[in-house]
Amino acid sequence: EVQLVESGGGLVKPGGSLRLSCAASGFTFSSYSMNWVRQAPGKGLEWVSSISSSSSYIYYADSVKGRFTISRDNAKNSLYLQMNSLRAEDTAVYYCARSGSYPGAFDYWGQGTLVTVSS
Amino acid sequence: DIQMTQSPSTLSASVGDRVTITCRASQSISSWLAWYQQKPGKAPKLLIYKASSLESGVPSRFSGSGSGTEFTLTISSLQPDDFATYYCQQYNSYLITFGQGTRLEIK
Repeated sequence: EVQLVESGGGLVKPGGSLRLSCAASGFTFSSYSMNWVRQAPGKGLEWVSSISSSSSYIYYADSVKGRFTISRDNAKNSLYLQMNSLRAEDTAVYYCARSGSYPGAFDYWGQGTLVTVSS
Repeated sequence: DIQMTQSPSTLSASVGDRVTITCRASQSISSWLAWYQQKPGKAPKLLIYKASSLESGVPSRFSGSGSGTEFTLTISSLQPDDFATYYCQQYNSYLITFGQGTRLEIK
């Protein structure tokens, strides 16, 4: 069974940093592109960043470029999102999601982790 | 960036109704479109990919059509479990974008 489990969310002050993790199981992690999608409270879905299976290709939404860094460790079946210079508008539930290729549809999603940026 | 516009934003319908949600892209995306269903407090669930391909395990009452800039998601006979929010997503561009969502509510 494919499972994606996010962790690392929490309350952080504006300007602070946070690192999200996504632990994958039930599939060959190194064969899939991985993605982060966020959803602000009461709002729609916003794509954040994506990384190809071998980390050769990395993409960011303009709203996070220069502040967030996506990475993966295929040996640990894990995906990461390093978030720096956090702003109030980064407050959201962050989901990791799998795609068979990039760009591609997101066929499995984690349950999400909440990041709250507030003083 | 490619903008995705869904209509309507909210749709009221009854069990057994046939409903259609439309998604328009600001430029051609060929058939690189997916549809997702999201229920409150839950992660989105993939329903349709490549505009019209039904994801494994998704009931056949869901169908997708379209290409280029105009796409539709149709639910042939609404079931109680279908009341949720639906999002389209384009993946023609490396900068992926979602529609703003359509909330399907019980009439």
